[in-house]
Amino acid sequence: KQEVTQIPAALSVPEGENLVLNCSFTDSAIYNLQWFRQDPGKGLTSLLLIQSSQREQTSGRLNASLDKSSGRSTLYIAASQPGDSATYLCAVQSYNTDKLIFGTGTRLQVFP
Amino acid sequence: NAGVTQTPKFRILKIGQSMTLQCTQDMNHNYMYWYRQDPGMGLKLIYYSVGAGITDKGEVPNGYNVSRSTTEDFPLRLELAAPSQTSVYFCASPSGRRNTEAFFGQGTRLTVV
Repeated sequence: KQEVTQIPAALSVPEGENLVLNCSFTDSAIYNLQWFRQDPGKGLTSLLLIQSSQREQTSGRLNASLDKSSGRSTLYIAASQPGDSATYLCAVQSYNTDKLIFGTGTRLQVFP
Repeated sequence: NAGVTQTPKFRILKIGQSMTLQCTQDMNHNYMYWYRQDPGMGLKLIYYSVGAGITDKGEVPNGYNVSRSTTEDFPLRLELAAPSQTSVYFCASPSGRRNTEAFFGQGTRLTVV
């Protein structure tokens, strides 16, 4: 059974720092991995989707990498801003189910 | 383009009551999903649909029912509400079966007392 873990559960950093969020998964038979952002009381917004054949994806200050063989992904946020404060979730789409399996999220706070 | 719309945003139910959470998408997607999110937890899949007339169970289907009579609508029904169903419910609709972005509704916060 696929299990997705995110570390740390919470992170508080000063504005301007570069930071890394981690996601690990137990079964490497995946089609893709997605990173989502969730603001309090809101739905999820897709940030980046990395297909299993790709190593990384970039969007603005965000860079996500995927190491399928080791079951790991990282989300790198450059020059963090208070507006980046949110919960970040990763999810994998597994071969055997086609479903998105979510991690528990990392709650990020960036203070001025 | 509204994307995925959920109603209501908030609801308080008494134990044993029933209700339907509505989800509508205007993107003409075949795939639709219902998730629940408990505090500090990830999202758990309740039910999903790969097209009109086709539904299937996810990880945590007990206590829920769904129907998919049209491409646009995917309502989630709670027949006998229990405190364990207190959660935030999200409807999602990916644009395809695999390797596609998933669009989420704003969520319905349900409390059962």
